[in-house]
Amino acid sequence: AQKVTQAQTEISVVEKEDVTLDCVYETRDTTYYLFWYKQPPSGELVFLIRRNSFDEQNEISGRYSWNFQKSTSSFNFTITASQVVDSAVYFCALSQGNTGFQKLVFGTGTRLLVSP
Amino acid sequence: EAQVTQNPRYLITVTGKKLTVTCSQNMNHEYMSWYRQDPGLGLRQIYYSMNVEVTDKGDVPEGYKVSRKEKRNFPLILESPSPNQTSLYFCASSLSMRRFPGEDGNQPQHFGDGTRLSIL
Repeated sequence: AQKVTQAQTEISVVEKEDVTLDCVYETRDTTYYLFWYKQPPSGELVFLIRRNSFDEQNEISGRYSWNFQKSTSSFNFTITASQVVDSAVYFCALSQGNTGFQKLVFGTGTRLLVSP
Repeated sequence: EAQVTQNPRYLITVTGKKLTVTCSQNMNHEYMSWYRQDPGLGLRQIYYSMNVEVTDKGDVPEGYKVSRKEKRNFPLILESPSPNQTSLYFCASSLSMRRFPGEDGNQPQHFGDGTRLSIL
C-alpha cells in the first residue's frame, strides 16, 4: 500500500536556524511522484515542488532545498536560515497508481513554528 | 488569474440539512478532486473526476456525492450531513493526473482556499 509518513508532528525553531522536515514514503510502484505543499496560517495549500522517481538530483530554490533518496525512500525538505514567514504546516504527498489514473496520498503534516 | 474557487468559505449548519459546496476552476483542467483535512489525519481524498461525466470514489466517499456536468465545476454534495463531516474541505484541479509511458503526468494540483464546515 502507498503511504507517506511525516513523523515530526511539530518543530519549533528560532529565526535563522536551519530546519529539516522529514518525509518517508512507501510504494510498490517503480514510477511515482513526490510533492511538498505548504499550508500557512491563512489555510490555503501552496505547491512547493514535484519530483519524479527517476530524478534523484537534489533541488535548491532560494532558502529551500529537497533531498530525494530512493535508497531510504525519503524526500526531506530543508529550510535554511528560517524566517517567521516560514511558519506553516508542510505536507509531503505521493502520487499512487502504476498505470492510468493517479491520485495523491498525503502525509499527516509537520507544523513548523519559527519564532523571532 | 488562474484559480480554484470554493464557496462558501465557512458554513455552520445542522444535521440532515442538505448542502452543496461549489468548486470552480478557470484553468481548463481535466482533473478535479475533493479532499477533507482533519487534525492528525492530513488530507484524504473524497472523490475525484478525470473529466466531464467521469467521477470516482476516493478514500473516504461515504456521505458525499459529486457531479461533473461541466469541465470547470465540481460541486460536493452532502445529502444528509452529520457531525462527523465537520471538517476543512479542499477542492483541487490539475491539468492531468494520468500517466502513460512518455507522458509527463502528475501535474501539481492547484487547491482552492478551503471550506470550513461545521455540522451541529
